[in-house]
Amino acid sequence: ELKVEQNPLFLSMQEGKNYTIYCNYSTTSDRLYWYRQDPGKSLESLFVLLSNGAVKQEGRLMASLDTKARLSTLHITAAVHDLSATYFCAVDLSYGGSQGNLIFGKGTKLSVKP
Amino acid sequence: EAGVAQSPRYKIIEKRQSVAFWCNPISGHATLYWYQQILGQGPKLLIQFQNNGVVDDSQLPKDRFSAERLKGVDSTLKIQPAKLEDSAVYLCASSQRIRDTQYFGPGTRLTVL
Repeated sequence: ELKVEQNPLFLSMQEGKNYTIYCNYSTTSDRLYWYRQDPGKSLESLFVLLSNGAVKQEGRLMASLDTKARLSTLHITAAVHDLSATYFCAVDLSYGGSQGNLIFGKGTKLSVKP
Repeated sequence: EAGVAQSPRYKIIEKRQSVAFWCNPISGHATLYWYQQILGQGPKLLIQFQNNGVVDDSQLPKDRFSAERLKGVDSTLKIQPAKLEDSAVYLCASSQRIRDTQYFGPGTRLTVL
């Protein structure tokens, strides 16, 4: 059974600090997404990582993918309150296929405090 | 560009009643997805359409859930009869092609009493 595990599930940070969210998955995949969800809102696409060693950065967020280790990280640099949200990783199941099915982790709820 | 539209945004029903949700994807997007998101969890795929054909419905509880996308644009998801455990947010997403980035709608929050 495919598992997508995020940790931590809850993260309370102080503004200005750095931290990393981890996403481990249990099957071969060549594509991984990071989404952000604000309370009561829908999911917003942040990054798509398409190959081993891929790194994407947007503002204070940087995502990377290691397909051999089946691990993706989302690194937060100098956190600000506006980054408070729940972050999901989603693994594309269709390696070698064509369906585009995504399996989501449980999400990491990030709270950035002054 | 308009995003994915869904209605209604909220629905409260009693168990054993029926309910339907509507989704209008981003214009030109061939692939449409319905997800169920239970509180505190990530979305779980229920069904995926490519144009008006079903690509994957392996996780759709077919004894009570049905979905259609008749003209390859709008889609409806129906639950009949609803159970307490169906309380969740139902998200619709679309992508231009299979395996492209999926864009999500605002969701319909269903409460079954």
